[in-house]
Amino acid sequence: GAVVSQHPSRVICKSGTSVKIECRSLDFQATTMFWYRQFPKKSLMLMATSNEGSKATYEQGVEKDKFLINHASLTLSTLTVTSAHPEDSSFYICSARDFQDSSYNEQFFGPGTRLTVL
Amino acid sequence: AQTVTQSQPEMSVQEAETVTLSCTYDTSESDYYLFWYKQPPSRQMILVIRQEAYKQQNATENRFSVNFQKAAKSFSLKISDSQLGDAAMYFCAYRGSGYALNFGKGTSLLVTP
Repeated sequence: GAVVSQHPSRVICKSGTSVKIECRSLDFQATTMFWYRQFPKKSLMLMATSNEGSKATYEQGVEKDKFLINHASLTLSTLTVTSAHPEDSSFYICSARDFQDSSYNEQFFGPGTRLTVL
Repeated sequence: AQTVTQSQPEMSVQEAETVTLSCTYDTSESDYYLFWYKQPPSRQMILVIRQEAYKQQNATENRFSVNFQKAAKSFSLKISDSQLGDAAMYFCAYRGSGYALNFGKGTSLLVTP
C-alpha cells in the first residue's frame, strides 16, 4: 500500500520558536495533501489543504500566518508552526491523495507528529 | 457544511461477539463517500472500510461490514467476531466534492476477554 511519512515524530520546542514538520509520500505522487490537528481524545480537525505548486487553502479559524504550508513538490508538503506557543501543542497528522487515483478516493495518512511547546 | 455525528463516545464488546458503531451525517450532496477509520494507540489512521454513496450494496471487508441507509443518512459499522486487536478509536468520515475528510468525534471501542 501507499506510504506517507512524517518527520519528526515528536518535537519539543521553546515558546516563540518555529517548528517545521515534513510530510512525504514515499511511493506515489500526491498533488494534494491535507493537514489535520488532533487534540487528546478528540477528532481530527482539518487545518488546510495543500496543493502542489499553489497556495494552501486554510479552513476557517486557522491562522495562515501562523501555520505556514508549502507543497513544493509532488512528494513533499511542509507545515511550519511559527512563533509557537503552548496552545499550539497538539498532534499534527498529514494525509495524501494519490495523483493517479481518480476513483479509489483513498487518502493515505502519515503517522503523525506530536508537538510540545514549553 | 457537512456534519458527521457519532453518538457513542464509548462502546464495549466481549471477544468473539458482535458490535455496531453508529454514525449519521448531514449533507445536501448526492455524490459522496463515507469511511470508517481505526486509530489504535499508535495513532496511525487505518482505513477500515469505505462506501460510495451511489452504490446500494453495503460494503464488506472480512469481519467488518456497514449498514448504509442513504435516505436516513446513516452509516453504521458492524464488527463481527471481535478481537482484542480491534480495540481502538473508530472515526466515521465523510468526503464530498472536495477531497478533504470531515470526521465525526469518534467512538472508543473496548474489547474485553
